[in-house]
Amino acid sequence: GEDVEQSLFLSVREGDSSVINCTYTDSSSTYLYWYKQEPGAGLQLLTYIFSNMDMKQDQRLTVLLNKKDKHLSLRIADTQTGDSAIYFCAEKRGGGFKTIFGAGTRLFVKA
Amino acid sequence: DVKVTQSSRYLVKRTGEKVFLECVQDMDHENMFWYRQDPGLGLRLIYFSYDVKMKEKGDIPEGYSVSREKKERFSLILESASTNQTSMYLCASSPRLAGAWTDTQYFGPGTRLTVL
Repeated sequence: GEDVEQSLFLSVREGDSSVINCTYTDSSSTYLYWYKQEPGAGLQLLTYIFSNMDMKQDQRLTVLLNKKDKHLSLRIADTQTGDSAIYFCAEKRGGGFKTIFGAGTRLFVKA
Repeated sequence: DVKVTQSSRYLVKRTGEKVFLECVQDMDHENMFWYRQDPGLGLRLIYFSYDVKMKEKGDIPEGYSVSREKKERFSLILESASTNQTSMYLCASSPRLAGAWTDTQYFGPGTRLTVL
């Protein structure tokens, strides 16, 4: 997705925090999502944030949104080996059917 | 439990063959999508459908067509498969209503297609 950019790889140690970053370009984006893809599976919604929010916390997950810089991040606290997956950032622009996905960040968790 | 199923997990076809990829959802969703997933490129939208018999081109429709004769089923057709269509194909569905939660897309497990 040329309009949504993410780094391709991130490696962390078990127990550390992971921070996955994403930038998007369309200021009309209404909703921003994080999806998780485990090996051999389709994507599953992890969490989402409305564009009028700055932060959302859900157990070990914290989403931060900086609308001015069009920057979205996902922080996973106390990262576990089961968190190893590809994480996709996605944006939905107002009124449309399409969701624009980033290329995905592959998270490696070392024991 | 919501479910999107795809007809095959792995498929091997020869160049020039006609290929059908089937997707079925049991959630009564109006919207259905076909993506292809390639390393470093993420998900790219091929086609989507917002109702029975309705279809819209996505970002990379060339070489593909789709069919939506029933609400629960969305088929992707490769009229004449080529090696550059070797990829992972993901189907997804979502309900029509506005709102972040209901705009969530539910994905199938994917079909890994290899064209020789």
